[in-house]
Formats: sequence, structure tokens, C-alpha cells
Amino acid sequence: GNSVTQMEGPVTLSEEAFLTINCTYTATGYPSLFWYVQYPGEGLQLLLKATKADDKGSNKGFEATYRKETTSFHLEKGSVQVSDSAVYFCALSDRIQGAQKLVFGQGTRLTINP
Amino acid sequence: DGGITQSPKYLFRKEGQNVTLSCEQNLNHDAMYWYRQDPGQGLRLIYYSQIVNDFQKGDIAEGYSVSREKKESFPLTVTSAQKNPTAFYLCASSIAARGGETQYFGPGTRLLVL
Repeated sequence: GNSVTQMEGPVTLSEEAFLTINCTYTATGYPSLFWYVQYPGEGLQLLLKATKADDKGSNKGFEATYRKETTSFHLEKGSVQVSDSAVYFCALSDRIQGAQKLVFGQGTRLTINP
Repeated sequence: DGGITQSPKYLFRKEGQNVTLSCEQNLNHDAMYWYRQDPGQGLRLIYYSQIVNDFQKGDIAEGYSVSREKKESFPLTVTSAQKNPTAFYLCASSIAARGGETQYFGPGTRLLVL
């Protein structure tokens, strides 16, 4: 079945450092890809998405490019802030009985120190 | 403001008790979903509904039940048959369930067993 593998955390960086969180996927067909962010005690918020190969999703300084040849969707940010501390989930859309479900990676906890 | 509300924020269940988690959305979305999140893991799909009066089992439906009598409401009952119910439960909705649509999440309900 379809699956998502994320870089294991936790990841700890200093403020203004460059961030990469790796995400690779296994899928039949061409799923849409998503990054969600979860702040402590809260639900998930969509960070960015890409719906086809070579699309780049971007939001709040974060970027990810849908790479079909390497089946990857790595999350990057050039200069992180303390407020970026959260858990980040990579996900793909999968089809079940004509409907859509999201398949999630295990999440990567990010901590940014001042 | 449009969004998804979940209540209660915390819920305590005694052994052998059924409990119901509420999920309401005012986004006029057709599709709604319930996910379970365990510590250090991604989200797993419990049930989903593409339209009123219709719902389907997800990957881990055993011990749970749902109803979809109104478009805006999708309550989840955790029955006594669910032997390990302690988790964070997240409700989500999307415009439709065809594929690629963004799912929007509520703030979650944390269920604890007494």
C-alpha cells in the first residue's frame, strides 16, 4: 500500500538556521502531497501542498517540491524562528472506494532555540 | 469565522463505558473524517463520510462507531469494545472526497481512561 517515510526526529536547531525535513513516499499513481504542522495541544494546520510533479508548494517561508523521480517532498526553510517549533507531518492523498484519505508519516518534532 | 469545532477538549472514560466525541463544521464541506493520533506516531483513519447518511470504515474502525445525520456534524462514539482508547482524536473535513482536496482539522479531543 501507499506509505510515507519522514526523517526521524527530534530535530533541534538554532534560530536563523537552515531547515530540511526529509520526506519520501511510496505510491501507485500520482497522489497529491501535503505538509501539515501541529503546535502543542492543537490540531493539524495545512502548511503547504503540491498536486503534481515538479509543483512547488510554499507558505510562511517554507517550501517543498514534488519530485516524482526521487519520490520525495522535502520541507525546507532558509531561516527558522523559535515560533516554528512544532511537529511536522508529511502526507499523501490515497484513494479508497472512490474517496480520498490522507496517509501520514510519523511526524518530525522540531525545536528551535533562541 | 468558518471552521471545525471539537468537544470536549478532554474526555475521561471509565471501563466498560461508551463515550461520544463531537465534531461540527460550518465550512459547508461534504466530506468528514475521524483520525486517531498516538504519541510519536502519525494519524490513522478511523471512519470517513463522503455525504450525509453515508460513512465508511477506515483502517482502524474496530471499537468505534459514527453517524452522519446532518452535513455539519459527524460524532464519533468510542465503545467499550475499544480496548486501548487513550489517544488524541482529530476530526477533519474537506469540500469533497475525490482526491487532492485539502483536509481541514479541528483542535482535537484527548481521551483518557480512568
